[in-house]
Amino acid sequence: AQSVTQLGSHVSVSEGALVLLRCNYSSSVPPYLFWYVQYPNQGLQLLLKYTSAATLVKGINGFEAEFKKSETSFHLTKPSAHMSDAAEYFCAVTTLGGGSQGNLIFGKGTKLSVKP
Amino acid sequence: DAGVTQSPTHLIKTRGQQVTLRCSPKSGHDTVSWYQQALGQGPQFIFQYYEEEERQRGNFPDRFSGHQFPNYSSELNVNALLLGDSALYLCASSPDGYGYTFGSGTRLTVV
Repeated sequence: AQSVTQLGSHVSVSEGALVLLRCNYSSSVPPYLFWYVQYPNQGLQLLLKYTSAATLVKGINGFEAEFKKSETSFHLTKPSAHMSDAAEYFCAVTTLGGGSQGNLIFGKGTKLSVKP
Repeated sequence: DAGVTQSPTHLIKTRGQQVTLRCSPKSGHDTVSWYQQALGQGPQFIFQYYEEEERQRGNFPDRFSGHQFPNYSSELNVNALLLGDSALYLCASSPDGYGYTFGSGTRLTVV
């Protein structure tokens, strides 16, 4: 079975500072990994996805993530935070095989606050 | 492209009642999944529909049921509502079974 652990339910950074949101996964088969962002009272917007091609994935709004198989990690980073980045971020895993094919298994989320 | 459309956006129901939520997938998407997101939690998978069949199901009771129509749109039905069913219900559609586009959700409040 797959699972996702997001370290830190709340992260606070200053505007212009590095953003680092941590995600570790567990999967018995090669995973597909995703980062989604959710603004208040809205649905989920895909930031980026890893689908077994390049291990460094670039997404929208300047975010990127690196798949590290040895560390079972898929941390999300952005070099310089903007006020508009304040939102909740979810890491998710799925596979194309096994019993959970196509199901997204989400972490509990990390709320990002950006201080002026 | 309208993306994934869900209706209604908000709903208030009484315990014991039944509710139907609706979802229109993004154009070209034939797979629809439903998720429940309780306050402060990540979304939890309810079930997935493909070719009008329930293909997979998460750990939800039989009170949760669904349907997919020939035009790929979908409904989520919940019977005998409990207070704990209060949540944001998200519909997601995909053209390939793993890359999902989410709707804005239906906020269900059970009183």
